[in-house]
Amino acid sequence: NAGVMQNPRHLVRRRGQEARLRCSPMKGHSHVYWYRQLPEEGLKFMVYLQKENIIDESGMPKERFSAEFPKEGPSILRIQQVVRGDSAAYFCASSPRTDVGQPQHFGDGTRLSIL
Amino acid sequence: GESVGLHLPTLSVQEGDNSIINCAYSNSASDYFIWYKQESGKGPQFIIDIRSNMDKRQGQRVTVLLNKTVKHLSLQIAATQPGDSAVYFCAETSYGQNFVFGPGTRLSVLP
Repeated sequence: NAGVMQNPRHLVRRRGQEARLRCSPMKGHSHVYWYRQLPEEGLKFMVYLQKENIIDESGMPKERFSAEFPKEGPSILRIQQVVRGDSAAYFCASSPRTDVGQPQHFGDGTRLSIL
Repeated sequence: GESVGLHLPTLSVQEGDNSIINCAYSNSASDYFIWYKQESGKGPQFIIDIRSNMDKRQGQRVTVLLNKTVKHLSLQIAATQPGDSAVYFCAETSYGQNFVFGPGTRLSVLP
């Protein structure tokens, strides 16, 4: 079984450009979570989505960031007009449901570098 | 020994010794806990989990202990190997809530 797939693994953008990060959850998983990680730090929750719905976006910056998980295709984290401070590793996780006792399974992340 | 670096606390152990990594969690209502291992350049990897109705759970070379009274979680690794070198995160959640991750501990295995 394929795990959580994220692409690209590395993404370089110049200030002001847009960054699109993709995440395909594990087969059978309908819940997707995005996290941000700075070097030598822990994971910070950004957003939780189910198919076609945003369930919790309390960790998302109010501007420039958006996420979607369409009926067909991967989940997308989109960052518009990127700034240097957006440089980080972005991880996606998926789970089959949110009942207690369901671990999240992570992809290997996208490392975003802003020039 | 254990030291606190600029961001991540670090635990250094000799190869073959046992390691104990600690985590203090914040929410007394949390009822499910996970330990993750993150190697350089990779995503967090599930190691072991425990529900709040248990005090201890064992896996292969790993044991998780839960003390709800003091909101403390620990991960014990037996006979630590070089391949165990990584950053270890605890995560807590309660029904319907998102996981909250701890700050992480870097484990360095010395030859």
